[in-house]
Amino acid sequence: EVRLVESGGGLVQPGGSLRLSCATSGFAVNSNYMSWVRQAPGKGLEWVSVIFSDGSTYYADSVKGRFTISRHNSKNTLYLQMNSLRTEDTAVYYCGRELRGGGMDVWGQGTTVTISS
Amino acid sequence: AIQMTQSPSSLSASVGDRVTITCRASQGIRNDLEWYQQKPGKAPKLLIYAASSLQTGVPSRFSGSGSGTDFTLTISSLQPEDFATYYCLQDYNYPGTFGQGTKVEIK
Repeated sequence: EVRLVESGGGLVQPGGSLRLSCATSGFAVNSNYMSWVRQAPGKGLEWVSVIFSDGSTYYADSVKGRFTISRHNSKNTLYLQMNSLRTEDTAVYYCGRELRGGGMDVWGQGTTVTISS
Repeated sequence: AIQMTQSPSSLSASVGDRVTITCRASQGIRNDLEWYQQKPGKAPKLLIYAASSLQTGVPSRFSGSGSGTDFTLTISSLQPEDFATYYCLQDYNYPGTFGQGTKVEIK
């Protein structure tokens, strides 16, 4: 069964750091595009970042220079390192498997990040 | 970044109604557009990819059309389980961008 499970969310003060994890099962994390999407409370979906199978990465302008997407192939896990966190980063963060040309067909359940003093 | 303008932001409809949601891209994106459904407290669910291809397991009352800059999601006969929020997403180039969402409510 293909499955994604996020972890690592929590309450952090502004300026702090957090690393989110997305454990995958049923497929190889490095054989697909893998993405992060977030949703602030009461707001719409916001695309955050993607890592391609060749290791290329892209970021939303709102997180560029502060967030880093990566993966550990042998652990089959995707990560999102978040630094210099701001109150506007408060959101539920979802990871997703993206089939090129086929959309994000599998999603995790989400992990909640709260940035507050 | 490419901007996606989705409309309407909300609509009220009855069971059995035909519902149409549109997304317009700020530049041509070929057919690199997906539609997602999200229910409260849940992760999004892929409905349509490549603008018009139905994801496996999604009911055939959902359909997508369009290419270039203008796209449409149609629900041919609204069912009780379809009341949700719908989003388009372009991945023609990165960063990807979602539309603002359309909340489909019960009339």
